[in-house]
Amino acid sequence: EDQVTQSPEALRLQEGESSSLNCSYTVSGLRGLFWYRQDPGKGPEFLFTLYSAGEEKEKERLKATLTKKESFLHITAPKPEDSATYLCAVQVSETSGSRLTFGEGTQLTVNP
Amino acid sequence: KAGVTQTPRYLIKTRGQQVTLSCSPISGHRSVSWYQQTPGQGLQFLFEYFSETQRNKGNFPGRFSGRQFSNSRSEMNVSTLELGDSALYLCASSLLAKNIQYFGAGTRLSVL
Repeated sequence: EDQVTQSPEALRLQEGESSSLNCSYTVSGLRGLFWYRQDPGKGPEFLFTLYSAGEEKEKERLKATLTKKESFLHITAPKPEDSATYLCAVQVSETSGSRLTFGEGTQLTVNP
Repeated sequence: KAGVTQTPRYLIKTRGQQVTLSCSPISGHRSVSWYQQTPGQGLQFLFEYFSETQRNKGNFPGRFSGRQFSNSRSEMNVSTLELGDSALYLCASSLLAKNIQYFGAGTRLSVL
């Protein structure tokens, strides 16, 4: 069974204090790994997709990396507006269509 | 370009009733997926539709059903509501199956 585990469950940072969120996965035949951001009362907002080990993508203060067993979301010099829940999801084999399997998320709070 | 639109945003129902939720995908997107989000279980896949055909189904009882129309709009129906069906129901659309999924704001269903 496909499994996605995110850590930590919650993270509190001071503005400017860089850190990383972890997403480890156990799947058969990874097709893609996705990072989303979700604000309270809203749907997940797409951030990145990674397809192969060694791949990296950046957007403003965020950088996502992928290995064969896990992905990291690095947050450099975060601001209070980066506070949100960050979700990791995997898309697996051809037979599963568009199905995404999500982790439980990391709730990030950035204090000014 | 308009995003994924879900209606209604909020619903209150009582046990035993049925409910229909609506999702209008991003223009041109042909794949629509539905997810249930609860505090305890996180985001769980319900089903996926592509070109009016259900391609994939998650591990939910038969009370949960859906359909997709020729214009790619989708509806999901839950019959004989139970208290445990209280959740945020999210719809996501993608250009084709297995592409990046973009989420709507969700429908918050409360079952009393």
